[in-house]
Amino acid sequence: SQQGEEDPQALSIQEGENATMNCSYKTSINNLQWYRQNSGRGLVHLILIRSNEREKHSGRLRVTLDTSKKSSSLLITASRAADTASYFCATLPQGAQKLVFGQGTRLTINP
Amino acid sequence: KAGVTQTPRYLIKTRGQQVTLSCSPISGHRSVSWYQQTPGQGLQFLFEYFSETQRNKGNFPGRFSGRQFSNSRSEMNVSTLELGDSALYLCASSPDRLLKAFFGQGTRLTVV
Repeated sequence: SQQGEEDPQALSIQEGENATMNCSYKTSINNLQWYRQNSGRGLVHLILIRSNEREKHSGRLRVTLDTSKKSSSLLITASRAADTASYFCATLPQGAQKLVFGQGTRLTINP
Repeated sequence: KAGVTQTPRYLIKTRGQQVTLSCSPISGHRSVSWYQQTPGQGLQFLFEYFSETQRNKGNFPGRFSGRQFSNSRSEMNVSTLELGDSALYLCASSPDRLLKAFFGQGTRLTVV
């Protein structure tokens, strides 16, 4: 079964606006990662946040992690048309040796 | 550094046939994982290999198998193909333990 559940399933915003995606998971984790996938292609790693971290930044990306609520959010600021893609959270559960992916959020940036 | 290379990119097979997909990881990466991606089930973990040993396996039937060679290249095989095996098969490599996975472009398998 999927470890992560993402919300919303689809998001459509205007270029320049901020986009926020959320991920919830079920078990204790070592880390949580966010990936981007352009249509029908491979996934690209965006950012990794460890279980003892609360917030992390990378360029226009900001990730938060709340282990007490077992949730994470990905914020993309000043969105661009090129940000149009599916975004997946992936967790590395404690004691597991595999990444477990959520169902993803389909983000569309309208020019 | 070259990225993860998957071959072929596209494949059409008939029900009952078998197929072999190939993955060449990033040089120096010893961990290779395989995922199946479908619209209905999302990204499902198939298995992971490290130094030629299968370390972890997902909940797929025995028709799905894989192996890893001494140069870390990996293959996955699906026997007796079913229509439901149509999917994008993704390979990911990492130095170890999936701290950060690097994905290939995938192989799009269509079973007719």
